Amino acid sequence: GQQLNQSPQSMFIQEGEDVSMNCTSSSIFNTWLWYKQDPGEGPVLLIALYKAGELTSNGRLTAQFGITRKDSFLNISASIPSDVGIYFCAGQFMDSNYQLIWGAGTKLIIKP
Amino acid sequence: NAGVMQNPRHLVRRRGQEARLRCSPMKGHSHVYWYRQLPEEGLKFMVYLQKENIIDESGMPKERFSAEFPKEGPSILRIQQVVRGDSAAYFCASSPSASGYNEQFFGPGTRLTVL
Repeated sequence: GQQLNQSPQSMFIQEGEDVSMNCTSSSIFNTWLWYKQDPGEGPVLLIALYKAGELTSNGRLTAQFGITRKDSFLNISASIPSDVGIYFCAGQFMDSNYQLIWGAGTKLIIKP
Repeated sequence: NAGVMQNPRHLVRRRGQEARLRCSPMKGHSHVYWYRQLPEEGLKFMVYLQKENIIDESGMPKERFSAEFPKEGPSILRIQQVVRGDSAAYFCASSPSASGYNEQFFGPGTRLTVL
């Protein structure tokens, strides 16, 4: 089936560092969503992107919808311990108005 | 709390038993999606339902799995004659519409363990 390539798979960073992760696809999406999942919980929506080139912030989080519509990145500035978790990107195809295709996730671990 | 509700949070079944997972969407949402997640993996789409209608079940296994979203009450994901491979986290999401802005909001999940 359709897939998103999300990288990196995991990140070990120091508290206070900036974080960057991205998703790419060979297909064009009309929506990109970024979710965070804590252990034992469901994904929580962080940022939604609807237009190519769109740059949206949510606190220390910033995400962009790539101009080609085939990629998106998420940046976290000045990471804190509660940022630990798994971050997922999800894309929605132009010809599908509901189904989301998910990346495999980026696991963020903060070194003490 | 008007979020997506799922119950039970944890469900243990022996092989051959039936599992029923329930999902109540957010208030005002009439679109429900079920996903399955294995450890260390992303979510896999199973089925999309609106009230009394299955819109897309292309991600559902052909046998033993069924889903419904009745006019009244929660959406139900039913797994008959469970096998060990059914052990996973099952998440339900809801959205206010399927076209245009499609922000799906997730419940806390049901973790199914098959002994």
